[in-house]
Amino acid sequence: GESVGLHLPTLSVQEGDNSIINCAYSNSASDYFIWYKQESGKGPQFIIDIRSNMDKRQGQRVTVLLNKTVKHLSLQIAATQPGDSAVYFCAESLVEYGNKLVFGAGTILRVKS
Amino acid sequence: GAGVSQSPSNKVTEKGKDVELRCDPISGHTALYWYRQSLGQGLEFLIYFQGNSAPDKSGLPSDRFSAERTGGSVSTLTIQRTQQEDSAVYLCASSLGTSWNEQFFGPGTRLTVL
Repeated sequence: GESVGLHLPTLSVQEGDNSIINCAYSNSASDYFIWYKQESGKGPQFIIDIRSNMDKRQGQRVTVLLNKTVKHLSLQIAATQPGDSAVYFCAESLVEYGNKLVFGAGTILRVKS
Repeated sequence: GAGVSQSPSNKVTEKGKDVELRCDPISGHTALYWYRQSLGQGLEFLIYFQGNSAPDKSGLPSDRFSAERTGGSVSTLTIQRTQQEDSAVYLCASSLGTSWNEQFFGPGTRLTVL
């Protein structure tokens, strides 16, 4: 897959540190939010999701935070590993409209060993 | 189990030719989505199917683009009279339904229009 090539923000972290990737979403009516990871030449891979009636959800090494007041979503990755290096996309949807995803521009995460 | 597959993985065509892109969703997934990923536009929705019907075609860029799904399974995206601006990676995703369901993406078809 391609990353959005122009002006993608990049986050560089040291292996073992925690990473925080931020996303501003556009539609205050969106009720479902997802984080995807995309490695070069591959399709997006689901990481974690959250519904609008929640403000935090935890997975394995990942946490998603949702702030509906300011339309902000964040992804926290604990103990970042070299295999976490990829482009990360947030996506929003309205389930009643078929759950079609609207993606953010993406953030490049680079993990330094 | 098998994931979403797409074919071809790469397609190079000449401007003005028609192309067909194929998506095989995960077995049992009733919902199927097409997205396009390009340098200038990022990841954008094209069309989705619930079963064989397409309730939302709003993302198709022009009437040169069409898609169909038969038997509630395989889908084809057809681009007629291709233009250079159609060059992109075309991604297909499937999910169990259109509700609170994770969408599983295929590897994409990279289309290059010369």
